[in-house]
Amino acid sequence: SQTIHQWPATLVQPVGSPLSLECTVEGTSNPNLYWYRQAAGRGLQLLFYSVGIGQISSEVPQNLSASRPQDRQFILSSKKLLLSDSGFYLCAGTGTGLYGYTFGSGTRLTVV
Amino acid sequence: DQQVKQNSPSLSVQEGRISILNCDYTNSMFDYFLWYKKYPAEGPTFLISISSIKDKNEDGRFTVFLNKSAKHLSLHIVPSQPGDSAVYFCAASGETSYDKVIFGPGTSLSVIP
Repeated sequence: SQTIHQWPATLVQPVGSPLSLECTVEGTSNPNLYWYRQAAGRGLQLLFYSVGIGQISSEVPQNLSASRPQDRQFILSSKKLLLSDSGFYLCAGTGTGLYGYTFGSGTRLTVV
Repeated sequence: DQQVKQNSPSLSVQEGRISILNCDYTNSMFDYFLWYKKYPAEGPTFLISISSIKDKNEDGRFTVFLNKSAKHLSLHIVPSQPGDSAVYFCAASGETSYDKVIFGPGTSLSVIP
């Protein structure tokens, strides 16, 4: 079965600082990977998805970027955080034979 | 345009009674429907799903009903328990496991002891 690892669980960063959130996948090869954000009281907003190494699609224009340097590694980054980047960030993955997604445990980001 | 809608942002139910969470979708190409459950500060976990060729799927206390003609599905929880208190996301996908899953905005369920 597929397991999604995400860290850190909680992060407090000042405005203007950089960000790097990492997600790694166990149990499947060549998964599609996704970054979601859940803002306070809101649903799940798809930010980026990747169908393979080096392939990134952005769903919404924003201050963030994503990279996939390895098959099972997905990174969410920012050069300069904004207050509006605060939220709960979730990595998800899907692989052959699995419908729907497996989610990581999430990272609570607070930009102060 | 929101393809998956959950028009009730919150729902309160007494313990032991039935919880009914509703979901509507607009894209008739969706082939697979899922419900996820999410506790605060945790990732969503898969709860139950249904293929478009079925109209009902049951798993213990959870039953999902699909009405394709109305583009409507619902999740029934019977009997509701305090541990069911969480946000429930309705989601829909295409016919392959690599299709993107589209999530609704979620319904927050509170089960009152």
